[in-house]
Amino acid sequence: QVQLKESGPGTVQPSRTLSLTCTVSGYSLINYGVSWVRQPPGKGLEWIAAIWSGGSTGYNSVLKSRLSISRDTSKSQVLLKMNSLQTEDTAMYFCARDDYSGDGFDHWGQGVMVTVSS
Amino acid sequence: DTVMTQSPASMSTSVGERVTVNCKASQSVGRVVAWFQQKPGQSPKRLIYLATNRHTGVPDRFTGSGSGRDFTLTISNVEAEDLAVYYCLYYGSIPYTFGAGTKLELK
Repeated sequence: QVQLKESGPGTVQPSRTLSLTCTVSGYSLINYGVSWVRQPPGKGLEWIAAIWSGGSTGYNSVLKSRLSISRDTSKSQVLLKMNSLQTEDTAMYFCARDDYSGDGFDHWGQGVMVTVSS
Repeated sequence: DTVMTQSPASMSTSVGERVTVNCKASQSVGRVVAWFQQKPGQSPKRLIYLATNRHTGVPDRFTGSGSGRDFTLTISNVEAEDLAVYYCLYYGSIPYTFGAGTKLELK
């Protein structure tokens, strides 16, 4: 069955770079993409970035200058990098399956909590 | 960017009642809107995609409607397990945008 699992460092110091990995199983990244979504404690959902089956990418307008998304299809992994971290970036980060056809966001990972703190 | 204005921010209901959650897009978005349910400590779960299509296994008391700028999620015969936060999502073009969420509570 389709599964996604996020992994990351837990705590990151301000101004440093965050690296998160989404490892997928049950499908190929050649056929479906991945979106990243975050949720600060007690707040709503915010879409961050996506990489689709053809390898094209898209980013949140406000965060775009700080983000990079890539993939390793042989490892079934999607990597998200965010630089210049601030305390406002403290959040739960989720990855979800995405798709051009409109049938996306049907499967989500459990999320990984990232705290920005010195 | 397309802004999704979701209302109400919260609502109280009783078991068995019918509730509606609304999302209004800042421009016409066709039908590329999804609805999600999120319970405390859990990942969001897709309920509806492409405005009206019910996700596999979602009870038929959840109904999505709308197109263009106005979208609605209707929950008929609310059950206690439906108490959660609901979000709409526009995902037709970049950047995707979520509504601010609607918290459904028991009276």
